[in-house]
Amino acid sequence: EAGVTQFPSHSVIEKGQTVTLRCDPISGHDNLYWYRRVMGKEIKFLLHFVKESKQDESGMPNNRFLAERTGGTYSTLKVQPAELEDSGVYFCASSRRTGVSLEQYFGPGTRLTVT
Amino acid sequence: AQKVTQAQTEISVVEKEDVTLDCVYETRDTTYYLFWYKQPPSGELVFLIRRNSFDEQNEISGRYSWNFQKSTSSFNFTITASQVVDSAVYFCALSGSNTGNQFYFGTGTSLTVIP
Repeated sequence: EAGVTQFPSHSVIEKGQTVTLRCDPISGHDNLYWYRRVMGKEIKFLLHFVKESKQDESGMPNNRFLAERTGGTYSTLKVQPAELEDSGVYFCASSRRTGVSLEQYFGPGTRLTVT
Repeated sequence: AQKVTQAQTEISVVEKEDVTLDCVYETRDTTYYLFWYKQPPSGELVFLIRRNSFDEQNEISGRYSWNFQKSTSSFNFTITASQVVDSAVYFCALSGSNTGNQFYFGTGTSLTVIP
């Protein structure tokens, strides 16, 4: 089966612009997660969808970030307006069911650079 | 609070040497899960292993082995007879029964195997 895919792989934008990242989870996976890794630091949780509902958005840094998952399939993460500190690699992950014991399957990430 | 520490930022070994990647965790949950992921140059995180807090048996899978010790809150990963294909960034992660489905990651250890 196809893995988690993310688009674009790289994005370079100027401060103040808007960027939208897309994630397609593994088919049939109801759970979708967004994480972010700022250079050299740990990968940090942003939010968790179960189907189209936000289960946990405790990691979202501020209201410049908006995540959606209409229809419970793919998800988008919009950053508007982007700031320099938003630079990093944004990972998406999915799992078939909800549960802390389950491994999450990760995509290759989108590298965002804000200049 | 949940925390994962990977003190080794970068490790270089010569091919065929053994190497151990350290992972130390903190949690107040009595039920928790530990994971190791490999991030090759292609970028995606590849799931390697999951361990639950009630199972301290060491695990071996080919050249890979994992040593889980609750007494020292450690979950170390050893690669025996390293190969160039083992070169990657390795992440240790933790999920807990009382902290939702999010993973808490360490900062990763970059392993370079020199031919």
